[in-house]
Amino acid sequence: NAGVTQTPKFQVLKTGQSMTLQCAQDMNHEYMSWYRQDPGMGLRLIHYSVGAGITDQGEVPNGYNVSRSTTEDFPLRLLSAAPSQTSVYFCASSLGPAGDYEQYFGPGTRLTVT
Amino acid sequence: GQQVMQIPQYQHVQEGEDFTTYCNSSTTLSNIQWYKQRPGGHPVFLIQLVKSGEVKKQKRLTFQFGEAKKNSSLHITATQTTDVGTYFCAGNAGGTSYGKLTFGQGTILTVHP
Repeated sequence: NAGVTQTPKFQVLKTGQSMTLQCAQDMNHEYMSWYRQDPGMGLRLIHYSVGAGITDQGEVPNGYNVSRSTTEDFPLRLLSAAPSQTSVYFCASSLGPAGDYEQYFGPGTRLTVT
Repeated sequence: GQQVMQIPQYQHVQEGEDFTTYCNSSTTLSNIQWYKQRPGGHPVFLIQLVKSGEVKKQKRLTFQFGEAKKNSSLHITATQTTDVGTYFCAGNAGGTSYGKLTFGQGTILTVHP
């Protein structure tokens, strides 16, 4: 099993550009989440999904969109990139609700917005 | 909203010394998880605590969950250079927060050989 994969590993965007961060898992996990990690702030939940077709907002959802058309994939879309979105983005999946089950994290995408 | 505070933010130790990081929640937690992130890596699950007053050990690591289920700690005995990384606690408050984890800021551990 590849586990949780994320692409790209690195990305540089100009302010106002849009892009999609890809996340896929091959563990047949129902629950998937997107976090951003900034220095001194831990990981903050952006959006999460409890299954195909169902998504909800986390702590910091503004400026991001998600969809979940399949169990395997959970892409994160930046609509109009801003310097404040410079961060490391992690996708995670779990067998059940994130609070009750071990989360498996992908390797992360390091995004810089200039 | 729920807040999880973790202290200290940084800890520098000599190899062989002990290390402890503390986690405090503003609300009672259903359970708490601990993760380790090596430099340049991604968080990796260490353990989950569920019961009030629970203590679990993994080799040199001891995890505790407070009686009131609002605080937790991770203690490493006789640190090694392989312990270097950032340790995060993550709490689940249940209720309207069910399914969501709130992470502490993390403690960055440096071990000098």
